[in-house]
Amino acid sequence: NAGVTQTPKFRVLKTGQSMTLLCAQDMNHEYMYWYRQDPGMGLRLIHYSVGEGTTAKGEVPDGYNVSRLKKQNFLLGLESAAPSQTSVYFCASSAGQSYNEQFFGPGTRLTVL
Amino acid sequence: AQTVTQSQPEMSVQEAETVTLSCTYDTSDNNYYLFWYKQPPSRQMILVIRQEAYKQQNATENRFSVNFQKAAKSFSLKISDSQLGDTAMYFCAWGGAAGNKLTFGGGTRVLVKP
Repeated sequence: NAGVTQTPKFRVLKTGQSMTLLCAQDMNHEYMYWYRQDPGMGLRLIHYSVGEGTTAKGEVPDGYNVSRLKKQNFLLGLESAAPSQTSVYFCASSAGQSYNEQFFGPGTRLTVL
Repeated sequence: AQTVTQSQPEMSVQEAETVTLSCTYDTSDNNYYLFWYKQPPSRQMILVIRQEAYKQQNATENRFSVNFQKAAKSFSLKISDSQLGDTAMYFCAWGGAAGNKLTFGGGTRVLVKP
């Protein structure tokens, strides 16, 4: 099992460009999450999904959109990238509610110039 | 909103010694879950230990143990017999019993020195 994978691992964008980050999990998990990690701020939840076809806003959703068309995939989109979105992005999945362990992907380092 | 605070940005410890990381949280919930995650230089997040708030007994996992003080809303992590491989960022996280999201603290960087 690959667990949780993320594509790409690194990306550099110019301000105003768009991109999509792909997260895939092979554990048949219902719940998937997108976080961003910034120094001193830990991980902050951007959006999450509790099942195929569902999405919900997290703590810092502005400037991002998500889609969960297939149970195993969770896409994070940036329509018009800004320097403030320079960060490391993590995807995670879990079997259910918060007592379940979240399994994380390896992260994507995004730089917006 | 729930908040999780880790007051120690960085800590260093000699190999084979013990280090304790502090974590406090704010919640009005009676039932919830607390976690410590480790992030080594590889950036991969790994669950270290989990505590259920309704259990009084402190959780342990090999060299890792917690001191859970529910009334004080404190959840510290003790790493015993520190090893070089313990060098990492450690994040404390809170999850509500009825919810499906985690709130993370800002992290503590631990450096184990030989």
